[in-house]
Amino acid sequence: AQSVAQPEDQVNVAEGNPLTVKCTYSVSGNPYLFWYVQYPNRGLQFLLKYITGDNLVKGSYGFEAEFNKSQTSFHLKKPSALVSDSALYFCAVRAFGGYQKVTFGIGTKLQVIP
Amino acid sequence: GAVVSQHPSWVICKSGTSVKIECRSLDFQATTMFWYRQFPKQSLMLMATSNEGSKATYEQGVEKDKFLINHASLTLSTLTVTSAHPEDSSFYICSASNYDEQYFGPGTRLTVT
Repeated sequence: AQSVAQPEDQVNVAEGNPLTVKCTYSVSGNPYLFWYVQYPNRGLQFLLKYITGDNLVKGSYGFEAEFNKSQTSFHLKKPSALVSDSALYFCAVRAFGGYQKVTFGIGTKLQVIP
Repeated sequence: GAVVSQHPSWVICKSGTSVKIECRSLDFQATTMFWYRQFPKQSLMLMATSNEGSKATYEQGVEKDKFLINHASLTLSTLTVTSAHPEDSSFYICSASNYDEQYFGPGTRLTVT
């Protein structure tokens, strides 16, 4: 069975500082990895995905994520945090193929402090 | 990019009534759609997978007679919560799939009073 772990319930970072939100995964075969963001009472917004190719993936709003196969990790990063980045972030994984179900992590609340 | 819509975005209903939520893929055909449920401060849990023209496959612990899923066309799937109770209050999100990718709808917040 596939799974995603987000070890931190909440991450606090000062505005302007770099941020990292951690994610590790388990899946059979090659992983498709995703990061989504959710603002209060809103749906999911896609940030970025890794399918194949470069291990460093760049996404929306200046976010990027690094795929590390040996550590089965896909940490989300941003060089300089904004207050508006404060939201709930979900890491997700699925196996190859659009028909495969997506498994989400429990989510990490990011709080950027002015 | 591909767009998935949900209607309604917010619904309040009385206990014992049924409510239908629509999920539409606006610019692509989706042979497979997924329905997720999100409790407050929790992650998204897959409820069921629906394939156009066939019965939905429900995840363990999901009552198929309570959560009726219909996928009548390649662009529309519906989730009907029957005889709703306050514990069914939740955020319901669908996703629509083509071969390569899944696209998520904006979600529907259901409140049962």
